[in-house]
Amino acid sequence: QQKVQQSPESLSVPEGGMASLNCTSSDRNFQYFWWYRQHSGEGPKALMSIFSDGDKKEGRFTAHLNKASLHVSLHIRDSQPSDSALYFCAASESNYAQGLTFGLGTRVSVFP
Amino acid sequence: GGIITQTPKFLIGQEGQKLTLKCQQNFNHDTMYWYRQDSGKGLRLIYYSITENDLQKGDLSEGYDASREKKSSFSLTVTSAQKNEMAVFLCASSTWGGANTGQLYFGEGSKLTVL
Repeated sequence: QQKVQQSPESLSVPEGGMASLNCTSSDRNFQYFWWYRQHSGEGPKALMSIFSDGDKKEGRFTAHLNKASLHVSLHIRDSQPSDSALYFCAASESNYAQGLTFGLGTRVSVFP
Repeated sequence: GGIITQTPKFLIGQEGQKLTLKCQQNFNHDTMYWYRQDSGKGLRLIYYSITENDLQKGDLSEGYDASREKKSSFSLTVTSAQKNEMAVFLCASSTWGGANTGQLYFGEGSKLTVL
């Protein structure tokens, strides 16, 4: 069973609109979460991390974590064509070295 | 800033062949990782190394060997390539502690095709 589950699989958003991505963990040991973005032909790049309950905002991106339900979300405000990419949620048991467990990703397409 | 360099970018092999992928980083990070990315299956951890000469198995280590002889480099060997195998192998490094703790920095990937 996938320990980190993402929804939806794909998402189409109008330019200037809001994209909302979801991530749920089935492993209660996962306490640290990241969002990564991958453009075609490139390696994933970190967007932001979130380790505490509540919201974390970085520019047009806002992440929300609810540790009780192990649910993380990512909201992209004022979506741009350059936001079209594959978005991964990743999680870790500890804040040290052991590597991240990734979800299968959500493909976001921003249309004009 | 720094960079992760993976070589080769494309690798074509024959069934049963031993194939090696190389990764170099100039971030001076202690920890390095190898992930495999298959279409529709996300990223899966093969091996990681906390420091020079250390090796730790990930969830997908069977069929692979790894080597970390220097802090800046991490190699991955496919011990016996499987026919029709096609995947992208991603190398990453990270540092722990500090503002960007745990953030993985990825290379562009090495695409493997087995004929």
